[in-house]
Amino acid sequence: DADVTQTPRNRITKTGKRIMLECSQTKGHDRMYWYRQDPGLGLRLIYYSFDVKDINKGEISDGYSVSRQAQAKFSLSLESAIPNQTALYFCATSDLDRGPDTQYFGPGTRLTVL
Amino acid sequence: AQSVAQPEDQVNVAEGNPLTVKCTYSVSGNPYLFWYVQYPNRGLQFLLKYITGDNLVKGSYGFEAEFNKSQTSFHLKKPSALVSDSALYFCAVRDGYSTLTFGKGTMLLVSP
Repeated sequence: DADVTQTPRNRITKTGKRIMLECSQTKGHDRMYWYRQDPGLGLRLIYYSFDVKDINKGEISDGYSVSRQAQAKFSLSLESAIPNQTALYFCATSDLDRGPDTQYFGPGTRLTVL
Repeated sequence: AQSVAQPEDQVNVAEGNPLTVKCTYSVSGNPYLFWYVQYPNRGLQFLLKYITGDNLVKGSYGFEAEFNKSQTSFHLKKPSALVSDSALYFCAVRDGYSTLTFGKGTMLLVSP
C-alpha cells in the first residue's frame, strides 16, 4: 500500500551497528505499529503508538527503541544490532475512528545482521 | 493472555475446489477476530473481521469466515479457490482494549 512507506526496503549491516528504520504514512491515521516477521513465528509486535505523545512496548521490545516524530512518522531503532534481529520488519497504521483493528501495512524492510 | 493457533502450516487445494484455513483462539473476554492475507513481497492486507452479530462474516475477494464460540474457532473459507488466492494467511485476535495477536500463518497453495 503506497500510503504507508518504509525506508530502506533492504538493509545489510554488521553486529553492533546502530540501525534506524523509518515509516511514513499519508493516511492521516493516529495509530502506528512496528512488527517483526520471522518464518514460523508469524508477526510479533515490537512497539506501538496511539498518538504523538503515546509510546507503548509490545511483545518483544528488548533491543529496540522508537520515536514518533510526527503523526505521520514512526521510526524504529536498533541501538546495537545482533544477528537474531535479522527479520522482516513491518510498519502498520490504523485509525480509532475508522476501525482501530483494520491495520494498513507498509511493504516491509528486510534487515540482515551479519 | 490472548493467543491464536493456526494448526496447519500449509493448505493445498485444487483450483475450483472449496478451501478452509483453520484458526482457533483463546481470550479472556469477548473476542474480536480478524483475517489478514500476505502476498509475496508485500505487507499484510485486511480481509475480514468479526466483532459482534452474525456468525458468518463476508470479506474481500469472496472470502468468508465463521465464528464458532463453543469451539473457539474462526475458520476462513471460500467456495471456489483461485490460483491467485495462493498466499500466506494470518488469523488475529484481541479482546477489550488490547492490541492484535497474530497467529503463525498458514500458506495456501492453489494448484491449477
